[in-house]
Amino acid sequence: EIVMTQSPATLSVSPGERATLSCGASQSVNSNLAWYQQKPGQAPRLLIYGASTRATGIPARFSGSGSGTEFTLSISSLQSEDFAFYYCQQYYNWPLTFGGGTQVESK
Amino acid sequence: EVQLVESGGGLIQPGGSLRLSCAASGFTFSSFAMAWVRQAPGKGLEWVSAITGSGDASVYADSVKGRFAISRDNSKNTLYLQMNSLSAEDTALYYCAKRAAADRGHFDSWGQGTLVTVSS
Repeated sequence: EIVMTQSPATLSVSPGERATLSCGASQSVNSNLAWYQQKPGQAPRLLIYGASTRATGIPARFSGSGSGTEFTLSISSLQSEDFAFYYCQQYYNWPLTFGGGTQVESK
Repeated sequence: EVQLVESGGGLIQPGGSLRLSCAASGFTFSSFAMAWVRQAPGKGLEWVSAITGSGDASVYADSVKGRFAISRDNSKNTLYLQMNSLSAEDTALYYCAKRAAADRGHFDSWGQGTLVTVSS
């Protein structure tokens, strides 16, 4: 099983600042990595797939990078609606696995 | 617009069975793999099971293998999850999710979930 590890668990950021979230895989997943955003009481929403491709309708302030075992999600200028949980997920191999999540909260 | 609407959740006693359904619309259902993903209260996301667009292949997480069965009826645009021998560890919000291709890929659309509570 490919273990996905996200850091930090909680990130405190002020509106307008940049947020950088990390995701590591226990073995290479190539670029088969997605990022999801989840707000309280809502379903997850796809942000990034293929490690760096923004999903339809996702603002340009969200960007993904990395390949192999190290990945990053960046939010260039945090808006109030961006405070949420973020999960990475590998779809390279079975079982499909998610990271434990990073909560982005307002400082 | 893609829509996924889950149903069938509820309160069930340990050892009991439940069948979840997911009604899909807004896309060619048979062309895409589908999956179930669950989220225990206050916890992260856990993939449960996936099935190909044609329904000819399915995969399960070890935690549910032998107890859960995923299926689909492409004539009804509906995904199912039959859950047997339920335990408290299965208590979660169960999401139906559409994959990006017929047999692989990320989850590009999610339903709102149906809550399964296993308790005596």
